[in-house]
Amino acid sequence: AQKVTQAQTEISVVEKEDVTLDCVYETRDTTYYLFWYKQPPSGELVFLIRRNSFDEQNEISGRYSWNFQKSTSSFNFTITASQVVDSAVYFCALSEAYTGTASKLTFGTGTRLQVTL
Amino acid sequence: ETGVTQSPTHLIKTRGQQVTLRCSSQSGHNTVSWYQQALGQGPQFIFQYYREEENGRGNFPPRFSGLQFPNYSSELNVNALELDDSALYLCASSSRTSGSEQYFGPGTRLTVT
Repeated sequence: AQKVTQAQTEISVVEKEDVTLDCVYETRDTTYYLFWYKQPPSGELVFLIRRNSFDEQNEISGRYSWNFQKSTSSFNFTITASQVVDSAVYFCALSEAYTGTASKLTFGTGTRLQVTL
Repeated sequence: ETGVTQSPTHLIKTRGQQVTLRCSSQSGHNTVSWYQQALGQGPQFIFQYYREEENGRGNFPPRFSGLQFPNYSSELNVNALELDDSALYLCASSSRTSGSEQYFGPGTRLTVT
């Protein structure tokens, strides 16, 4: 069975601080995908990144960066120079390898990030 | 390109009633997945429809059922509503070209009293 753990329930930072959201996962699959989604108060899940289990290179996109470490089953997400607009709930998710149709996503319980001025 | 849309936005039902939620997939997407998100929790997979057939189901009872239509839009039906069914119901669409990426709609907030 797949499982995703986001141990941090809530994080509060002051604008311009860096913040890291932790994600630890469990799976018996050798091939899988990892995702991060952002859920603002409006409720819609916004896709941020997908990472294939074969690709352990870290990725940077603007102020966002992701650190994937297969050895520790972790896929952490860092926001550099946080902004108030980053305030949201962030979900880490795991799915089986793509087999022609998108596999079900297993989500963590989310981390609520509050960025204040 | 039109994104995923869901209706209604909010719904209030009484325990024991039945409800139908609707989802229009993103243009060109033939796969629709439904998720239930209870307050303070992550979304839980209900089931997926691909080309009008159920293509995988999570740990939900049979009173949760669905349909997918030839235009790939989908319905989620819940019978004999229970208080614990109160949640945000999210629909996600995907296609062969989108691969493993799923695009979510804004959700329907269901309250059962």
